[in-house]
Amino acid sequence: GAGVSQSPRYKVAKRGQDVALRCDPISGHVSLFWYQQALGQGPEFLTYFQNEAQLDKSGLPSDRFFAERPEGSVSTLKIQRTQQEDSAVYLCASSPAGGGRNEQFFGPGTRLTVL
Amino acid sequence: AQTVTQSQPEMSVQEAETVTLSCTYDTSESDYYLFWYKQPPSRQMILVIRQEAYKQQNATENRFSVNFQKAAKSFSLKISDSQLGDAAMYFCASVDSNYQLIWGAGTKLIIKP
Repeated sequence: GAGVSQSPRYKVAKRGQDVALRCDPISGHVSLFWYQQALGQGPEFLTYFQNEAQLDKSGLPSDRFFAERPEGSVSTLKIQRTQQEDSAVYLCASSPAGGGRNEQFFGPGTRLTVL
Repeated sequence: AQTVTQSQPEMSVQEAETVTLSCTYDTSESDYYLFWYKQPPSRQMILVIRQEAYKQQNATENRFSVNFQKAAKSFSLKISDSQLGDAAMYFCASVDSNYQLIWGAGTKLIIKP
């Protein structure tokens, strides 16, 4: 069985450009999480989906960040008008059950560099 | 608000020996879960071990075990018989009643052959 996949693996954007990061969770997983990981730091929670419902978006740093999971499977994290401080690795994780108390299965991440 | 602190940015251990990674946390909740995740270089984050706060027994997974001291809010990870493949960043994390995992800054573990 395939694990969590993310694309692209690397993205270079010029400041001001919009970017879209894709996450394909493990099939059938209910929960999907997005994290932002700065170099040398632990991940920071961005948002949480249970199926297609976005139950928590309190970690999104600004209204330039938007996430969706319209059919309860694939998710897209969109960043509008990228800024240099958006440079980080964006991790996606899925979990078979609802909530954050179960094992999360992580993708390889998308490394975003904003010039 | 929850916090998780890993005070050791880097640790090194000789292959086949034992190493302990420290983690302290702070939460006002009585029901929470604690995790250790491993992030090898250029590879995916994977779960090492999980502890439910209401369970007094320390979790173990093969060579990995935890020392969970609830009153002291301490959750250290012991790796026995260290192997080269254990080299990675290790992150401690906690979650209470909501969905947000709170993560420590990580400890880089170096294995000396």
